[in-house]
Amino acid sequence: NAGVMQNPRHLVRRRGQEARLRCSPMKGHSHVYWYRQLPEEGLKFMVYLQKENIIDESGMPKERFSAEFPKEGPSILRIQQVVRGDSAAYFCASSRSSGGTGDTQYFGPGTRLTVL
Amino acid sequence: GQSLEQPSEVTAVEGAIVQINCTYQTSGFYGLSWYQQHDGGAPTFLSYNGLDGLEETGRFSSFLSRSDSYGYLLLQELQMKDSASYFCAVKGDYKLSFGAGTTVTVRA
Repeated sequence: NAGVMQNPRHLVRRRGQEARLRCSPMKGHSHVYWYRQLPEEGLKFMVYLQKENIIDESGMPKERFSAEFPKEGPSILRIQQVVRGDSAAYFCASSRSSGGTGDTQYFGPGTRLTVL
Repeated sequence: GQSLEQPSEVTAVEGAIVQINCTYQTSGFYGLSWYQQHDGGAPTFLSYNGLDGLEETGRFSSFLSRSDSYGYLLLQELQMKDSASYFCAVKGDYKLSFGAGTTVTVRA
């Protein structure tokens, strides 16, 4: 059973460029979450999506950041006009449901974004 | 909002027992999860407590007291491979709020 997949694993961008991070949830999972982790810190919630719907984006900066989870294909976290402060590890998690016993979140290996 | 506190680091020898405490303040609480992370790799799910009491999974156990807003992760028979960061996380409606993590170093 394949786990959560993320690509690329490492991404280097220059200031002002765009970064696109992709996440494919575990088979049978329709709930996707994005978290950001700065060095020596815990993960911080950014956004929660179900297929074709953004449920909660309260943790995502209002500008430059967007997320989608289309009917077909992976979830995408998009960062426009990146700045050095965007350098971090971005983790995607998925769950079978959002409540009850099926809601354990399983994490992917992350994308490490470095902005030069 | 959520606020979680856990020790920043713990060092112990192989075969020892380590307890990582986690206290939390939260506006919405459904349960307490624990994750392990090696060197910035993928956080790996260890355990979840939705009700008070002890949950045991092999060498790892987790405890929750909702009335005290307190939980702990117990690592028994420590092995070198247990050297990692351990995070407690409060589960709200659907999102996880993580503590800053406890770095466990196991010495031979």
